[in-house]
Amino acid sequence: EPEVTQTPSHQVTQMGQEVILRCVPISNHLYFYWYRQILGQKVEFLVSFYNNEISEKSEIFDDQFSVERPDGSNFTLKIRSTKLEDSAMYFCASSTTTGELFFGEGSRLTVL
Amino acid sequence: AQSVSQHNHHVILSEAASLELGCNYSYGGTVNLFWYVQYPGQHLQLLLKYFSGDPLVKGIKGFEAEFIKSKFSFNLRKPSVQWSDTAEYFCAVRGAGSYQLTFGKGTKLSVIP
Repeated sequence: EPEVTQTPSHQVTQMGQEVILRCVPISNHLYFYWYRQILGQKVEFLVSFYNNEISEKSEIFDDQFSVERPDGSNFTLKIRSTKLEDSAMYFCASSTTTGELFFGEGSRLTVL
Repeated sequence: AQSVSQHNHHVILSEAASLELGCNYSYGGTVNLFWYVQYPGQHLQLLLKYFSGDPLVKGIKGFEAEFIKSKFSFNLRKPSVQWSDTAEYFCAVRGAGSYQLTFGKGTKLSVIP
């Protein structure tokens, strides 16, 4: 069964460092998403991406965040200068239309 | 803005007990509704979804959910739980045509053999 894959599974970084989280969506999917879950809190929407541009983003997705589809397969989330409060599990998801989202296993980010 | 409430933080049941997990949402328009499950150490998986039509939807592994529009609810049910159902369950809502899925806080289900 096709699946969304994410790397790294866990990243530890120092505050102020740049982090790039990578995702390979399911190959025939056209819509891509990033969500995050801070420990003990809700899964929160960050951003959706379609046709090489952001289609929707939340208040959390400020200027420190950016997304990119640098080639035909990867979908990346960059955090420019990490803060302690960016520590969370980041989930990538993809879908064929605005239907069912298929999620990856998540990348745990720990900011020290 | 849409929001989702899941009333139970942690539910503990014995095997073969019946399950009902509550989910209420607030949104002014047409919604798509989802239940996702996250087994320990695994990714979020779709259990079932409601877009339109029959408000009683059946999902995988014997789960079902009923959309009651007047109550803004989409409760998840299973007549007889198994130990393997131990997981965290998330209700989610999306305004029809929107890209943004809003999740509830999740309900942790522990099934005791």
